[in-house]
Amino acid sequence: GEDVEQSLFLSVREGDSSVINCTYTDSSSTYLYWYKQEPGAGLQLLTYIFSNMDMKQDQRLTVLLNKKDKHLSLRIADTQTGDSAIYFCAETLRNQGGKLIFGQGTELSVKP
Amino acid sequence: DAMVIQNPRYQVTQFGKPVTLSCSQTLNHNVMYWYQQKSSQAPKLLFHYYDKDFNNEADTPDNFQSRRPNTSFCFLDIRSPGLGDAAMYLCATSRGALGELFFGEGSRLTVL
Repeated sequence: GEDVEQSLFLSVREGDSSVINCTYTDSSSTYLYWYKQEPGAGLQLLTYIFSNMDMKQDQRLTVLLNKKDKHLSLRIADTQTGDSAIYFCAETLRNQGGKLIFGQGTELSVKP
Repeated sequence: DAMVIQNPRYQVTQFGKPVTLSCSQTLNHNVMYWYQQKSSQAPKLLFHYYDKDFNNEADTPDNFQSRRPNTSFCFLDIRSPGLGDAAMYLCATSRGALGELFFGEGSRLTVL
């Protein structure tokens, strides 16, 4: 089956690290993505990880993938107020022609 | 410069009055997607075009149709909008089925 789950809310203080978690069910996933959506806007790709990797770092962003537990996380170091947004985890399904399945999104609130 | 452009950004229609949303792209991508995103929910794929081939998701209502007259343009037609069709409609493009998705800013539909 195809299902991607995330916690709905996360609140952190400016300067702290944020960790957003995601679990997925389909073992045929090829790529796993993190998208950011600001109010009233489309989705912006932040980063992605290929399913045979376990970690990827890109400036303030670190993605960790535990394939055995089907768990993906996004860590944002030194979180800023401009990071406040909804973050979507998504997976592509190899056996469905690359169809992208999204989680329901985690709303990150950064307090000054 | 915006690469995936959606028009209009905001559309208000009456119950049952047909509406068309448009999407254009300057990326020359061969795959174009339409997603529906209701408030506080994950984007849900309605259908996509792989080149000229139309691929409808099994649970997309018949009320939703799409046209792709050329590589650059794709339209979403809602024949008889109901109150439940009020949502943000997101267009996305990719090079190939497994390529990175590029999203437009979305068209927010309100049904009165």
